[in-house]
Amino acid sequence: AQSVTQLDSHVSVSEGTPVLLRCNYSSSYSPSLFWYVQHPNKGLQLLLKYTSAATLVKGINGFEAEFKKSETSFHLTKPSAHMSDAAEYFCVVRTGGFKTIFGAGTRLFVKA
Amino acid sequence: NAGVTQTPKFQVLKTGQSMTLQCAQDMNHEYMSWYRQDPGMGLRLIHYSVGAGITDQGEVPNGYNVSRSTTEDFPLRLLSAAPSQTSVYFCASSPDRVNTGELFFGEGSRLTVL
Repeated sequence: AQSVTQLDSHVSVSEGTPVLLRCNYSSSYSPSLFWYVQHPNKGLQLLLKYTSAATLVKGINGFEAEFKKSETSFHLTKPSAHMSDAAEYFCVVRTGGFKTIFGAGTRLFVKA
Repeated sequence: NAGVTQTPKFQVLKTGQSMTLQCAQDMNHEYMSWYRQDPGMGLRLIHYSVGAGITDQGEVPNGYNVSRSTTEDFPLRLLSAAPSQTSVYFCASSPDRVNTGELFFGEGSRLTVL
């Protein structure tokens, strides 16, 4: 069975400091992994995706994530937070069985 | 450059009423799906379709009905609304029929059932 666990429901950082949003997954098959961002009252936008190519994936707005199969993790990072990064972030697993599993989400707060 | 369009954006229903949430995409995507978003639960798959005339149930299908008569449209019907169906609903499409590609989302439909 597939599952996704986002280890923090809320993360608070100061502007200019690093961001780490943690995601662990479980999948019986080789998964495709995604991070999406949702700003208030908006739909979800793709940040980045891993589909069995390079394990370090670069996304939009300076975000990146590293796929670690041995740890079944796909943590999202950014070297320096910006106020505009305040949003909710979702880790997502997709497999070939038409099922898409979303994590519960991590809300990122950025303090000035 | 419309992408995925959902209507209405907001709706208030009384218990027992029926309604249809509309979803249309102009990207010629085969895969379309409906999710509901509830606080602390992420998005949960209601129904999905891998092409015109083909639909299947997701994780939480009870109380919802779908059809896919064209590639572009994938309406979600609430047959008899219940307060438990108060939620934000998202339609998403993907060009990848085998379910490993990016999902493109609409902006959501906020439904309140009194």
